[in-house]
Amino acid sequence: NAGVTQTPKFRVLKTGQSMTLLCAQDMNHEYMYWYRQDPGMGLRLIHYSVGEGTTAKGEVPDGYNVSRLKKQNFLLGLESAAPSQTSVYFCASRRHGGQETQYFGPGTRLLVL
Amino acid sequence: RKEVEQDPGPFNVPEGATVAFNCTYSNSASQSFFWYRQDCRKEPKLLMSVYSSGNEDGRFTAQLNRASQYISLLIRDSKLSDSATYLCVLGTIINFGNEKLTFGTGTRLTIIP
Repeated sequence: NAGVTQTPKFRVLKTGQSMTLLCAQDMNHEYMYWYRQDPGMGLRLIHYSVGEGTTAKGEVPDGYNVSRLKKQNFLLGLESAAPSQTSVYFCASRRHGGQETQYFGPGTRLLVL
Repeated sequence: RKEVEQDPGPFNVPEGATVAFNCTYSNSASQSFFWYRQDCRKEPKLLMSVYSSGNEDGRFTAQLNRASQYISLLIRDSKLSDSATYLCVLGTIINFGNEKLTFGTGTRLTIIP
């Protein structure tokens, strides 16, 4: 049982390049989330999904797109990377219901030059 | 005003000491309250949920004061392994029984041998 995994662990991009971050969970969780963490700020929600085929915007969705084609995977895309998207990205998943814990992946460090 | 306010620290305390962290929040609609722990360059992990009646888990005690919108965490007999950043986190139901987490920026704790 690997929990929540993220690939890649680290990536350097040039401004304007695109990339996709992959999150996978093997806990059969309904809900999945993408956050970013920046120095001096709490984790902020980018997008989330309440189930296969559904996605919704969080606090800071601009510049990102997401897809959840399979229940276990949640993809975060950057179509045209900007230096402001340099951050640590965390994926999380959670079971449906109240008082359920969100489990986080190990994070992806992204540097946009 | 930030939704969740924490003293960023750092708190440097000797091993065996008792240390307390505080957190205030502004969203009175929050239903769930948590302390997460984040080690350097790692993902956040749930330390404990916080209940209105207060709760204890070994050396850790959490308190919630809804009237004052204030949460606290007390660590007794601190260990070197307690060195980490402690995140105050609020949960608010958004839709479909899903919960949005709002994170504080964290309080950094270093236990000194």
